[in-house]
Amino acid sequence: GEDVEQSLFLSVREGDSSVINCTYTDSSSTYLYWYKQEPGAGLQLLTYIFSNMDMKQDQRLTVLLNKKDKHLSLRIADTQTGDSAIYFCAESIRQAGTALIFGKGTTLSVSS
Amino acid sequence: EPEVTQTPSHQVTQMGQEVILRCVPISNHLYFYWYRQILGQKVEFLVSFYNNEISEKSEIFDDQFSVERPDGSNFTLKIRSTKLEDSAMYFCASSESGTYGYTFGSGTRLTVV
Repeated sequence: GEDVEQSLFLSVREGDSSVINCTYTDSSSTYLYWYKQEPGAGLQLLTYIFSNMDMKQDQRLTVLLNKKDKHLSLRIADTQTGDSAIYFCAESIRQAGTALIFGKGTTLSVSS
Repeated sequence: EPEVTQTPSHQVTQMGQEVILRCVPISNHLYFYWYRQILGQKVEFLVSFYNNEISEKSEIFDDQFSVERPDGSNFTLKIRSTKLEDSAMYFCASSESGTYGYTFGSGTRLTVV
């Protein structure tokens, strides 16, 4: 069945780059997403990538997709303390209205 | 920026009681969803709703669950007879196109005692 796996924790220093990794199992994924969850808040869509793309850049965020290895990564450049949160990788595998399959989330801790 | 609003933010209920979790999706969105997150576990899909009917549901969404769009703005999740294992954060989401850009609410933390 479908599964999305992420490492649980990442700790970086302010100003460094953070790279959060995700692997997924379903090769028919259409869209892959990164969501951010701050304490007590909902899931905020950070960015998404369509499965026929290799890379997407959006300001400090770079998403890399390796379809062969079913590996997705999120790079945050110049990480700030405000980036501390839980980051969820998610995939959707069918057409409109489909469910998202989430990973367990990676807790990013940024120290000053 | 448009938001998905969920109420209440926290609900405590006794086992066996019925609860209704409420959501106001973004007004021009057509697809609506409920997800839940048990503490320390993954965010899990429960149900999607489009054109006034359920379009997809997971194994979790059994007969004790139901959804309704009673008017043009609200989208509700009813749990008929709550169990301890229903304790979780419940997230509502909506989407204009159903393919990307889901907007999630802040969640309702349900505690069943």
